[in-house]
Amino acid sequence: AQTVTQSQPEMSVQEAETVTLSCTYDTSESDYYLFWYKQPPSRQMILVIRQEAYKQQNATENRFSVNFQKAAKSFSLKISDSQLGDAAMYFCAYRTSYNTDKLIFGTGTRLQVFP
Amino acid sequence: DVKVTQSSRYLVKRTGEKVFLECVQDMDHENMFWYRQDPGLGLRLIYFSYDVKMKEKGDIPEGYSVSREKKERFSLILESASTNQTSMYLCASSPPRDYGYTFGSGTRLTVV
Repeated sequence: AQTVTQSQPEMSVQEAETVTLSCTYDTSESDYYLFWYKQPPSRQMILVIRQEAYKQQNATENRFSVNFQKAAKSFSLKISDSQLGDAAMYFCAYRTSYNTDKLIFGTGTRLQVFP
Repeated sequence: DVKVTQSSRYLVKRTGEKVFLECVQDMDHENMFWYRQDPGLGLRLIYFSYDVKMKEKGDIPEGYSVSREKKERFSLILESASTNQTSMYLCASSPPRDYGYTFGSGTRLTVV
């Protein structure tokens, strides 16, 4: 069974600095998708970024980028130029490409941003 | 603006009560999901549905059932609420084979 591990329950960063959130996963499949979701205090889960496993190029969305290491089964999220609005819970998630649309989530990392 | 709406933001119920959590989406999505979110455990899948009247068990279905009579509505039912079902419940929907979910804002359920 696939699993997703986020080993950092909490992280903090100063405004304008860069922070990296870690995520590792376990799967025997070769084709899959990986996601980072953000959950602010409003509780609305928001998709931050996604990565297809067959793509070698790391996904980027404005200040958010990933470091996808397929062989190491690692999928970290880098937030550059951190802003106060980035403070939230961040969840890493995995979805197989085979015949199911279920997402498997990690336990989350709470990010605090200090002015 | 596309939406997944959960009927209650906060709910307090007594042990033994039958509880209905409602979720409605306006995007004509085939897939709908119910997750439970607990600190340190992340999101765990309770049930999901690929189509009207279709349902499949997720990872933690015990103590729950679901109903999907119409495409836009997916209900989570706690047949006899217990204190260990106190949690945040998140509903989500997606088209088939799409990349990500659209989530509702969650229902924080307290069972006393």
